[in-house]
Amino acid sequence: DTAVSQTPKYLVTQMGNDKSIKCEQNLGHDTMYWYKQDSKKFLKIMFSYNNKELIINETVPNRFSPKSPDKAHLNLHINSLELGDSAVYFCASSQVGDYGYTFGSGTRLTVV
Amino acid sequence: AQSVTQPDIHITVSEGASLELRCNYSYGATPYLFWYVQSPGQGLQLLLKYFSGDTLVQGIKGFEAEFKRSQSSFNLRKPSVHWSDAAEYFCAVGGGSGGSYIPTFGRGTSLIVHP
Repeated sequence: DTAVSQTPKYLVTQMGNDKSIKCEQNLGHDTMYWYKQDSKKFLKIMFSYNNKELIINETVPNRFSPKSPDKAHLNLHINSLELGDSAVYFCASSQVGDYGYTFGSGTRLTVV
Repeated sequence: AQSVTQPDIHITVSEGASLELRCNYSYGATPYLFWYVQSPGQGLQLLLKYFSGDTLVQGIKGFEAEFKRSQSSFNLRKPSVHWSDAAEYFCAVGGGSGGSYIPTFGRGTSLIVHP
């Protein structure tokens, strides 16, 4: 059983397109996150979301938006994709009071 | 603001040798500290974490880390490295504040294991 699953694993798309990455966790965790990992492996938090609060990293362009249909899902929607959006995007989840993350295996986004 | 420094970008060790990966943090209060491992093409896996209590923390895969407040360090150690330990290792620091918590990750240390 995959604890945190992301789809797709690879995504190649053209500049200007809109795309979504899906994330699901079956751990019953309260909080889910999206991270961006750049080519130098640097991990940057994009969003943190639970059923009460959405925390947005202020440096994230508003072309990026999280969408959570329910507690177990947190999808990432990206509008008007740019070359600089190419990266690996990780979904993660945690339980309040624990803070140790469980990560998905990542989505490698390539914008051409 | 919280921050993490991993001074070594790459570390090369021989299989069977001991390992220590360095992590220095900056945080205004008692930190929560973590080590994660990332194998190629995979997500990050939590190795161990420190919240409070015993400063020597045991983790999975035979790893341990020691919290030293006086040195603002949380170094990761393993007595005997296996070839399968070759991966990227990330230290992270954070702490609760007003019920909201987001850890900051270091830039990672790449571990290379020679046979």
